[in-house]
Amino acid sequence: DAGVIQSPRHEVTEMGQEVTLRCKPISGHDYLFWYRQTMMRGLELLIYFNNNVPIDDSGMPEDRFSAKMPNASFSTLKIQPSEPRDSAVYFCASSPLTLRRTITEAFFGQGTRLTVV
Amino acid sequence: KNEVEQSPQNLTAQEGEFITINCSYSVGISALHWLQQHPGGGIVSLFMLSSGKKKHGRLIATINIQEKHSSLHITASHPRDSAVYICATQGGGADGLTFGKGTHLIIQP
Repeated sequence: DAGVIQSPRHEVTEMGQEVTLRCKPISGHDYLFWYRQTMMRGLELLIYFNNNVPIDDSGMPEDRFSAKMPNASFSTLKIQPSEPRDSAVYFCASSPLTLRRTITEAFFGQGTRLTVV
Repeated sequence: KNEVEQSPQNLTAQEGEFITINCSYSVGISALHWLQQHPGGGIVSLFMLSSGKKKHGRLIATINIQEKHSSLHITASHPRDSAVYICATQGGGADGLTFGKGTHLIIQP
């Protein structure tokens, strides 16, 4: 498997524009996570899905952020409208479930570096 | 919410030295993860442990559940070990991760 694939790797956009980040998890993984990394706050969980269903979105900072997982092989994180303070690296990760119904290690994508000017 | 503290924040050492990075957390967890982030930005999972000790090559991770503390050790450190090491806790068995701020390690030749 190619691992978790994120696109684009880099995105520069103007304030007010809509931004869509994409993620393809590892095939067969039940869980998909979206994280954000900034210098000030480090890594933070934004939202995660189990079998395409959002389980916990309490980390989503504002209504400007939304995430979807229309099928097991694709997820999007959308910011509309974008603001300079949204500039960060956004990581997607996926994890399989064990037979005991717990997740094992997380497999991270390479991240999308977003710059909002 | 779990508070995850790492120390030290920055560490510079000479090649060959034994390295220890510490992680403490405030509430009970189901598992603790150690991650490595290289200068290019990619994040790799090193260990996931819920008790005891795990070893992989020159890396050793330990956890003390009662004391809410974990350590990551690197034996015979090498410049290629230079990276940011991040401790992360997992609350329930299928929860997302809560991260420490990371330890920036530099190994000089």
